[in-house]
Amino acid sequence: GDSVTQMEGPVTLSEEAFLTINCTYTATGYPSLFWYVQYPGEGLQLLLKATKADDKGSNKGFEATYRKETTSFHLEKGSVQVSDSAVYFCALISNFGNEKLTFGTGTRLTIIP
Amino acid sequence: DTGVSQNPRHKITKRGQNVTFRCDPISEHNRLYWYRQTLGQGPEFLTYFQNEAQLEKSRLLSDRFSAERPKGSFSTLEIQRTEQGDSAMYLCASSLQTGYQETQYFGPGTRLLVL
Repeated sequence: GDSVTQMEGPVTLSEEAFLTINCTYTATGYPSLFWYVQYPGEGLQLLLKATKADDKGSNKGFEATYRKETTSFHLEKGSVQVSDSAVYFCALISNFGNEKLTFGTGTRLTIIP
Repeated sequence: DTGVSQNPRHKITKRGQNVTFRCDPISEHNRLYWYRQTLGQGPEFLTYFQNEAQLEKSRLLSDRFSAERPKGSFSTLEIQRTEQGDSAMYLCASSLQTGYQETQYFGPGTRLLVL
């Protein structure tokens, strides 16, 4: 079945550091890939998405590129801010079946000033 | 723009009681999903509706769980005879399904604690 494997957390970085959160997936066919973010006390928000190989999703300075050859969708940001502290979830929707999201376990990110 | 709303936001109940949660999707969205999130884990799919039709249920959804979406608008998720293992965050999401693999928009969730 479909699965998403995320970099183990928690991750703690200093402000303005470079961020990478690794995500790899297993899926049949050609899934769409997503990063969702969950700020403290809030619901999941879509951060970015990519629907086909080599697509780059970007939003709020975050980027992720859909790499079919390595089945990866790593999240990057060049200079993190304290306000980026949150839990980040990688997810996919397979193009077979019921359009459900399959999530990774999440990576808690803490940015210290 | 009104997003997905869920009520109540928090529910504390005693084991064996029944609870019901409500989800109001984004108004023009035809698909509605329920997920469950336990501490330290990603959300897991429970069930989904296309308009008023419930199209799939996960194996996680035991016979104590029932979901409805009358008239294809809001949805309710009922848990009968709650157990301590039902303690979790219950998330609702909606999407406008015009093609496939459409973006799902999530509500704030209902946090359930079963004592």
